[in-house]
Amino acid sequence: DVQLLESGGSLVQPGGSLRLSCAVSGFTFSNSAMSWVRQAPGKGLDWVSAISRTGEHTYYGDSVKGRFTISRDNSKNTLYLHMNSLRAEDTAVYYCARPDSGWTPFNSWGQGTLVTVSS
Amino acid sequence: VLTQSPGTLSLSPGERATLSCRASQSVSSDFLDWYQHKPGQAPRLLIYGTSSRATGIPDRFSGSGSGTDFTLTITRLEPEDFAVYYCQQTAHSPWTFGQGTKVEIK
Repeated sequence: DVQLLESGGSLVQPGGSLRLSCAVSGFTFSNSAMSWVRQAPGKGLDWVSAISRTGEHTYYGDSVKGRFTISRDNSKNTLYLHMNSLRAEDTAVYYCARPDSGWTPFNSWGQGTLVTVSS
Repeated sequence: VLTQSPGTLSLSPGERATLSCRASQSVSSDFLDWYQHKPGQAPRLLIYGTSSRATGIPDRFSGSGSGTDFTLTITRLEPEDFAVYYCQQTAHSPWTFGQGTKVEIK
């Protein structure tokens, strides 16, 4: 079974940094592009970032470009999201998501990890 | 930009639900997907490529459309179908979701 397990969410002050992780199992991680999607409280889904199988190509939503960095360690079957200069509006549940092939659609999702940005 | 309508749909079990997703520019049919999301759960892929059902999705769910207008139809609502539904386009960067349609029990 495909499993995605996010971790690293916590309370952080505005301007702070945080690193999220997504540990995967049940498929060959190095063969799969990956994405992060978030949901702010009371809001809809918001695509954050995507990374190619090798990590060579990365893409970002406009609201996080220049502040967030997506990366992966294929030897550890783990996806990361490095978040800097955090703002209150980054408060959300962050999900990692995987397509069965290509970049999308997102066939599998983790349960999410909560990031709260507040003083 | 994807605009979903209505924002909320109040229906009874057994009724038909028709959800709309309108794009501000043309979207290739290959890159329009629909997801179901329930509180406290991970989102679930329903429809990909406008009209293909994902694995395990019952045939009461169907998708259609082209260009800028897309539709998700649930022919007979079951109790487990009451949730929020999102369309997503991945034809143009950045990828975007619609704001969602909540299907609630009337």
